[in-house]
Amino acid sequence: ETGVTQSPTHLIKTRGQQVTLRCSSQSGHNTVSWYQQALGQGPQFIFQYYREEENGRGNFPPRFSGLQFPNYSSELNVNALELDDSALYLCASSFELPDRGPYEQYFGPGTRLTVT
Amino acid sequence: EDQVTQSPEALRLQEGESSSLNCSYTVSGLRGLFWYRQDPGKGPEFLFTLYSAGEEKEKERLKATLTKKESFLHITAPKPEDSATYLCAVPSSASKIIFGSGTRLSIRP
Repeated sequence: ETGVTQSPTHLIKTRGQQVTLRCSSQSGHNTVSWYQQALGQGPQFIFQYYREEENGRGNFPPRFSGLQFPNYSSELNVNALELDDSALYLCASSFELPDRGPYEQYFGPGTRLTVT
Repeated sequence: EDQVTQSPEALRLQEGESSSLNCSYTVSGLRGLFWYRQDPGKGPEFLFTLYSAGEEKEKERLKATLTKKESFLHITAPKPEDSATYLCAVPSSASKIIFGSGTRLSIRP
């Protein structure tokens, strides 16, 4: 069984640039959630994708957007990067059914984004 | 507003010294509570799901319990390899999961 993988591991960008982070979900999972984790804080929910549709969103501006592909892999895109976007970005996958749960999520190792 | 608060922020124990971590929550209609372990620079690792008050789950030296207002993670006779940040999380509105800030646990040999 393959776990959740994320790429790249580390990334350095300049303020105002755009970035795309990638996630491959665990085999058999159909749902992907993205989180932002600042140093010393718990993960903050960005959004979730279920069967290629956004299925819930946290308090993040529209410049944070995402995609889920038919193979359940996912991308997180961030436009117009700001210094405060520097954080560990975590992807988590789960197998979920509508209106059921809750379901435990399995996390990838994260992408460390630094904005200068 | 739904909220999760963990205490203490940091805890240093001697190897073998048992203790408990606390997770207090405020959420409408609790549907479950998760515990995760996170090592530095890595993603959280799933430990337990608790679904209702009174439920308990164990894994090696860890035992999680749940009441209507809080959850405890009890660690018995910890070893240095138990050092990590322990996170709790609750499902909030549709699809949203709220995490606490975590407890950084350090076990000295």
